[in-house]
Amino acid sequence: SQTIHQWPATLVQPVGSPLSLECTVEGTSNPNLYWYRQAAGRGLQLLFYSVGIGQISSEVPQNLSASRPQDRQFILSSKKLLLSDSGFYLCAWLSGNTIYFGEGSWLTVV
Amino acid sequence: GNSVTQMEGPVTLSEEAFLTINCTYTATGYPSLFWYVQYPGEGLQLLLKATKADDKGSNKGFEATYRKETTSFHLEKGSVQVSDSAVYFCALTVSGSARQLTFGSGTQLTVLP
Repeated sequence: SQTIHQWPATLVQPVGSPLSLECTVEGTSNPNLYWYRQAAGRGLQLLFYSVGIGQISSEVPQNLSASRPQDRQFILSSKKLLLSDSGFYLCAWLSGNTIYFGEGSWLTVV
Repeated sequence: GNSVTQMEGPVTLSEEAFLTINCTYTATGYPSLFWYVQYPGEGLQLLLKATKADDKGSNKGFEATYRKETTSFHLEKGSVQVSDSAVYFCALTVSGSARQLTFGSGTQLTVLP
């Protein structure tokens, strides 16, 4: 069966520090992968999606970036975090016509 | 473009009450419709889905019927439990290479004992 993992689950980072959130999918090949963000008290915002290795589409201009170095690996990064980057980050993947989510990563920028 | 309009919350019910959370959509193309649930501190879980008109998705006592004529996908449960307290998101995708999800704003449900 297919599973999705993302880590770390929680992190607290100072303003200006770098960020790396990692997501891996098991049990499938060449999935569509997504990064969403959920700010406190708000809905979900699509940040990036990828249809294949090295193929990244950005939905919202910001100081975040994404990379897909391997078929089942999707990484969300920042060189310098802002306070406004705080939120709940969710990795997701597409199976058929259904999108499934990982456990999420809580980021607090202080 | 695509959009999902969801009933404003929060919704507070007593245990065993009937639940309806309204969801309507606009979409270019022929969408698939979903309800996701988010329990406190957790990620999103797929609750149910429907991929074509008149389909009924169901899971854990929740149901929603894909109504093309009214562009709706209302979530219902006949008797809610305290454990159903969560945020519920209506969403859609349309066919295409990316299959992006368009979400509603979410509805916070609190069930009191």
